[in-house]
Amino acid sequence: DADVTQTPRNRITKTGKRIMLECSQTKGHDRMYWYRQDPGLGLRLIYYSFDVKDINKGEISDGYSVSRQAQAKFSLSLESAIPNQTALYFCATSDFSDNQPQHFGDGTRLSIL
Amino acid sequence: RKEVEQDPGPFNVPEGATVAFNCTYSNSASQSFFWYRQDCRKEPKLLMSVYSSGNEDGRFTAQLNRASQYISLLIRDSKLSDSATYLCVVNDVVHSGYALNFGKGTSLLVTP
Repeated sequence: DADVTQTPRNRITKTGKRIMLECSQTKGHDRMYWYRQDPGLGLRLIYYSFDVKDINKGEISDGYSVSRQAQAKFSLSLESAIPNQTALYFCATSDFSDNQPQHFGDGTRLSIL
Repeated sequence: RKEVEQDPGPFNVPEGATVAFNCTYSNSASQSFFWYRQDCRKEPKLLMSVYSSGNEDGRFTAQLNRASQYISLLIRDSKLSDSATYLCVVNDVVHSGYALNFGKGTSLLVTP
């Protein structure tokens, strides 16, 4: 089983719909992250959480919200999806220390029509 | 936001060749450095951490030059399976600690 699991893996939906992407981890890590990746733009940080009571905006948080339901779960919501949110979304985790690498889920391919 | 810059490539090399990628970063306070590998439509995977004294893992060698703020990755005896995008990653200060800042990646294609 994967250490970082994202659901769904693929999603096609219409403009204006509310969408939730879920991430769960079995690594026991405190820190969790949501990124989006677009061709030519690399990975961009949407939101991150350093523990259950900590939520922080990344560089592109507009149009997104998150919930850290437990240490192992971090969900990303698009309240009213728009076509330019079509992208590949990754969840990642890392240990509590500042110098640790991140471990990624398999990604969610999201298309907004 | 502090920047991590990489040559996007693509680097096209024959099997067996040696290839080097460089990366520069702008945040002199950065403390951790990594190289990740990403295959097409897949998640980034940690290739290796980069230490101040330089480090080697099989055919891969990473170097860090803090004074010039650049990081390098050397791949010797390239294999077809090395074809991928290589991401340079540097940690950045955020308000409650550090988060990772990813370069846009350098594309490598190893040909027979």
